[in-house]
Amino acid sequence: AQTVTQSQPEMSVQEAETVTLSCTYDTSENNYYLFWYKQPPSRQMILVIRQEAYKQQNATENRFSVNFQKAAKSFSLKISDSQLGDTAMYFCAFMNTGSGTYKYIFGTGTRLKVLA
Amino acid sequence: GAGVSQTPSNKVTEKGKYVELRCDPISGHTALYWYRQSLGQGPEFLIYFQGTGAADDSGLPNDRFFAVRPEGSVSTLKIQRTERGDSAVYLCASSSTGGFGEKLFFGSGTQLSVL
Repeated sequence: AQTVTQSQPEMSVQEAETVTLSCTYDTSENNYYLFWYKQPPSRQMILVIRQEAYKQQNATENRFSVNFQKAAKSFSLKISDSQLGDTAMYFCAFMNTGSGTYKYIFGTGTRLKVLA
Repeated sequence: GAGVSQTPSNKVTEKGKYVELRCDPISGHTALYWYRQSLGQGPEFLIYFQGTGAADDSGLPNDRFFAVRPEGSVSTLKIQRTERGDSAVYLCASSSTGGFGEKLFFGSGTQLSVL
């Protein structure tokens, strides 16, 4: 079974600093997608960034970038120049093709607090 | 509408009662998902609709849970004989076609509290 592990339940960072959130996953599939979603107190989850396993280049979206290590099954999220609005729960998620339908499997999340 | 809408935003019920949770996806999205998020956990897959049909209901915990999407747009998650363990946030999401790697658009969820 596929699993997603986020080993940091909570993290904090000073405004304007850089923080890295960790995620590891387990799968026997060769192609899949990985995602980071942000969940603010409003509960509405928002896509931050995604990466296809076949692409070797790490994805970037403005201040957000990933470090994708396929052999190590690691997918960390780096937030640069942290802003107060980045305070939220962050979920790592995995999608594969094995079951025939494409459903997300989520980790347990990391609560990030950006300090003024 | 502009986004995924879920109603009610909060629902309090008593053990043993029946509840219905509604999801209105983004117009034109054929794929619709229900997830359940317990306190301190990540969302857990319940069911996936492609159009009107349930393409994957492997996440429904037992036969007290049922979901429909009769016209391929609005979906209703139905829970019979509610139990205290059903208390959670129920999230709905939609995507354009349900394709590989597609972005999900989430609603704000329904917080269900079973007393």
